[in-house]
Amino acid sequence: NAGVTQTPKFQVLKTGQSMTLQCAQDMNHEYMSWYRQDPGMGLRLIHYSVGAGITDQGEVPNGYNVSRSTTEDFPLRLLSAAPSQTSVYFCASSSRSNQPQHFGDGTRLSIL
Amino acid sequence: KQEVTQIPAALSVPEGENLVLNCSFTDSAIYNLQWFRQDPGKGLTSLLLIQSSQREQTSGRLNASLDKSSGRSTLYIAASQPGDSATYLCAAPGGGADGLTFGKGTHLIIQP
Repeated sequence: NAGVTQTPKFQVLKTGQSMTLQCAQDMNHEYMSWYRQDPGMGLRLIHYSVGAGITDQGEVPNGYNVSRSTTEDFPLRLLSAAPSQTSVYFCASSSRSNQPQHFGDGTRLSIL
Repeated sequence: KQEVTQIPAALSVPEGENLVLNCSFTDSAIYNLQWFRQDPGKGLTSLLLIQSSQREQTSGRLNASLDKSSGRSTLYIAASQPGDSATYLCAAPGGGADGLTFGKGTHLIIQP
């Protein structure tokens, strides 16, 4: 009963490095999304997908790329990490837009 | 653009009290509203989802109400327990086609 699985749980990067945050769900959900959570800012939507092959931008997409080649996976790529991207990243999924969203445990990312 | 506000930002009450957490949203053309719980260092757990056609939703000691016309939702917690201590987040559609806009949360402490 895995639900939404995010890896890694923690990561430290240097400015300019690239990396991919992984997100996988085993509930056959069509909708998946990425949020970042910052103190005093709350959770903000980065990118989302309504199904395999379909992605779109959220509120804060700059510096991030996504793709959705399968229903199960929705990786988030940081192209050139910046200190402003230090945050906790959450992946979420739901079966339909009017159904509860299920969240992973998050990836805590520090950019030095 | 959807904006979600939660009041109060923090609340500390003795065990056993009934309490109400408030959430307001600016765009009332929502199809649902969701309440989450977040424990320190953890992901989000969905508590209740209220569809736009409903006025209330109940789960155990939790009751959530939705008034679209006034742009408000409340989460009522009955007979509070120390295990209820957490941050409670309210979220409404509006961060993208299927993304959520979150409030900044209410940090709740239940004193034993």
